[in-house]
Amino acid sequence: AQTVTQSQPEMSVQEAETVTLSCTYDTSESNYYLFWYKQPPSRQMILVIRQEAYKQQNATENRFSVNFQKAAKSFSLKISDSQLGDTAMYFCALKRAGSYQLTFGKGTKLSVIP
Amino acid sequence: EAGVTQFPSHSVIEKGQTVTLRCDPISGHDNLYWYRRVMGKEIKFLLHFVKESKQDESGMPNNRFLAERTGGTYSTLKVQPAELEDSGVYFCASSPHRTVGNTGELFFGEGSRLTVL
Repeated sequence: AQTVTQSQPEMSVQEAETVTLSCTYDTSESNYYLFWYKQPPSRQMILVIRQEAYKQQNATENRFSVNFQKAAKSFSLKISDSQLGDTAMYFCALKRAGSYQLTFGKGTKLSVIP
Repeated sequence: EAGVTQFPSHSVIEKGQTVTLRCDPISGHDNLYWYRRVMGKEIKFLLHFVKESKQDESGMPNNRFLAERTGGTYSTLKVQPAELEDSGVYFCASSPHRTVGNTGELFFGEGSRLTVL
């Protein structure tokens, strides 16, 4: 069975500062994908960033980057230059290759303070 | 292009009543998924349609839950009779093709919040 753990239920960060959200996971699969999704208040959940497990290079999307430590089964999300629009629930998720099911963590509520 | 839409956004019902949630996927997306998040818990998979066929309903909690996808377009999720533990947010998502071998991004709706009193 796969599990995803987000140990920070809530976090806050000052606007323009950097924040890191933690995620650890467990899987017996060798080929899988990791995702960070975000859901702003009363909005749709959208994909922030994805990482293929077979790639050693950490994924980056503009101000969002990940620190993927495969041996430690860790997949943290760093948000640089935080903006008010980054306020949202952030969910870490895992999908094994060849599957269509996502396994989610409990989420981290991030508040960006002006 | 319209995204995934869900209705209602919030429903409050009493234990024993029936509720039907609706999801309209992105046009042309064959795959439709239902997920549920109970307060404070993880988002859990419920089931997966490919067009009008149920591909996997292993996550459905019990037989009080019935999902349909008429003509491979919109989907409904009926809870009858509702129990207190059914409260939560029900998410619908869609994707254009099977995720085998690819990164499998899902497109989510805003969710339907169900409160059972």
